[in-house]
Amino acid sequence: AQKITQTQPGMFVQEKEAVTLDCTYDTSDPSYGLFWYKQPSSGEMIFLIYQGSYDQQNATEGRYSLNFQKARKSANLVISASQLGDSAMYFCAMREGGSGNTPLVFGKGTRLSVIA
Amino acid sequence: DVKVTQSSRYLVKRTGEKVFLECVQDMDHENMFWYRQDPGLGLRLIYFSYDVKMKEKGDIPEGYSVSREKKERFSLILESASTNQTSMYLCASSLRRVGTEAFFGQGTRLTVV
Repeated sequence: AQKITQTQPGMFVQEKEAVTLDCTYDTSDPSYGLFWYKQPSSGEMIFLIYQGSYDQQNATEGRYSLNFQKARKSANLVISASQLGDSAMYFCAMREGGSGNTPLVFGKGTRLSVIA
Repeated sequence: DVKVTQSSRYLVKRTGEKVFLECVQDMDHENMFWYRQDPGLGLRLIYFSYDVKMKEKGDIPEGYSVSREKKERFSLILESASTNQTSMYLCASSLRRVGTEAFFGQGTRLTVV
């Protein structure tokens, strides 16, 4: 069963607008972490933001914020004031368990295109 | 700065060859991972290791093996390369601590002909 689901294969957004990339996850472990990565056309994987399952507040990092809805098991990435350089693949990932020796499991990704 | 280095950026091998993909990290991370990335399929975990000489199968281990003799090095081995193993291979490492992100290498684009 898919543990991370990203339902939007591709999205377009106008420059300077905000965009939300969807991510739902499936786990029965009460302790887990959620991550978002960006992969530009160069291929490097860039870590953007992290949300722990016990965190009370939604995570924010500059123009990135994570809309964490625990009951719905969703962890959507919000990018505010989109820039042309935000055009990339975006991956949602989860790590289960509290021991730290489990792998990151990724979704299939969303390709974001920012239009001038 | 954390650095994860993969030995080759591009590799072309023949069907049936034994292929070694090497990955080295310089930040004393306990965890290391090998992923395969294909269009439309995201990153799929092949194997991971949380300590020297320890390994765990991921979602798609068939046709692959791994070796971790030293903490900083994690090798992916294709015993007998096949054309369906043509893909982008990504190595990553992380601390064995909840809430810490994984750091990735630059990737190896493997083509099996």
